[in-house]
Amino acid sequence: QVQLQESGPGLLKPSQTLSLTCTVSGDSISTGGYFWTWIRQHPGKGLEWLGYIDYSGNTYYNPSLRSRVNISVDTSKNQFSLKLTSVTAADTAVYYCARGWLQFFYFDYWGQGTLVTVSS
Amino acid sequence: EIVLTQSPGTLSLFPGERATLSCRASQRVSSSYLAWYQQKPGQAPRLLIYGASRRATGIPDRFSGSGSGTDFTLTITRLEPEDFAVYYCQQYGRPLFTFGPGTKVDIK
Repeated sequence: QVQLQESGPGLLKPSQTLSLTCTVSGDSISTGGYFWTWIRQHPGKGLEWLGYIDYSGNTYYNPSLRSRVNISVDTSKNQFSLKLTSVTAADTAVYYCARGWLQFFYFDYWGQGTLVTVSS
Repeated sequence: EIVLTQSPGTLSLFPGERATLSCRASQRVSSSYLAWYQQKPGQAPRLLIYGASRRATGIPDRFSGSGSGTDFTLTITRLEPEDFAVYYCQQYGRPLFTFGPGTKVDIK
């Protein structure tokens, strides 16, 4: 059974960098055919895709956030990470990591989500 | 960017009734790249349907998806108590994923 778990600080100040890690168990992050992604959900709102990294290390980002987002992978730890720079209150959200399948571009396994609050 | 619109915003039904949820795209979406998710309060979304009509592993057959082009539908034939939740459609249009705003199915 594939499981994902987000970890990282829950409270940030404006202008800081959000850094989250997703630890994957039950599957290798290097398995062909999959990608590893970050999605967020503002309180009481819908879902916003942030970006993904595929099994080859290629990255793709939401154009609206591209200048601030970076996703990387650590295959030795079976983890992938999100960095979002220059955060503001508008970045307050629940952040989910998830696995996706490249053939149909859907998200089949999700972490439980972690709330990140940006406040001075 | 392809914008997804879902209707209705809220659907109030009795258990046992049939639910029909609509997802409309601003441009044509490949059927291969249209998915549906269920989300309950405090939980992550759960994949129900991918490829517009393929049920994900473990999803009961009362859930079905259909449609093509710009119009897609999720149908729940007989609502069980655990089906009352928010449902999102999602599409992939290289290089961007977008989600619809969701339809809340609540108990009448």
